[in-house]
Amino acid sequence: DVKVTQSSRYLVKRTGEKVFLECVQDMDHENMFWYRQDPGLGLRLIYFSYDVKMKEKGDIPEGYSVSREKKERFSLILESASTNQTSMYLCASSPGLAGAPQFFGPGTRLTVL
Amino acid sequence: QKEVEQDPGPLSVPEGAIVSLNCTYSNSAFQYFMWYRQYSRKGPELLMYTYSSGNKEDGRFTAQVDKSSKYISLFIRDSQPSDSATYLCAMRGATVGRRALTFGSGTRLQVQP
Repeated sequence: DVKVTQSSRYLVKRTGEKVFLECVQDMDHENMFWYRQDPGLGLRLIYFSYDVKMKEKGDIPEGYSVSREKKERFSLILESASTNQTSMYLCASSPGLAGAPQFFGPGTRLTVL
Repeated sequence: QKEVEQDPGPLSVPEGAIVSLNCTYSNSAFQYFMWYRQYSRKGPELLMYTYSSGNKEDGRFTAQVDKSSKYISLFIRDSQPSDSATYLCAMRGATVGRRALTFGSGTRLQVQP
């Protein structure tokens, strides 16, 4: 079974803090993704990575950065957290094959006060 | 207009009913289709994956794809209270370049005991 794990299930941070969300997958997948999910807005892609040290912006990259130093690990960084970044953050991975499905982690519920 | 349209529900059915969940899409480049199930406060779980028109069955679940009409469906037979969740359709094209999925907004299903 594919296993995608995220470092925290729930996180509470203060405005202006630097926040790190970690994601690890154990299936040697080439692609990794970060989404946020908000009521009424669905899943929105923040960033994705198709190889170590490679990244591409998704639909809503503003206020976020990412890091992929090892194939199995993909980090999402909020440089200066703001209240509008309160959300459910979902990490996913997929093999580098055309049409491959994505496999999701359990999610991190981030609250910024 | 969104690329993928999905009725948000909620859809409430009695236990044992047949459930039909649907998505329509506008982009003819979509070739691969997925259904995810998401329980409250959890990450989406891959339920069905298909890449051809027609039906694919897995236990109580049947995924149906009609590429000519740009319409996909998920049928759940003998629905159970444990099927209560949000169901997301997702799809993507065949090219490796755009690796992300396009999601529907999700349909919330409630199966009443």
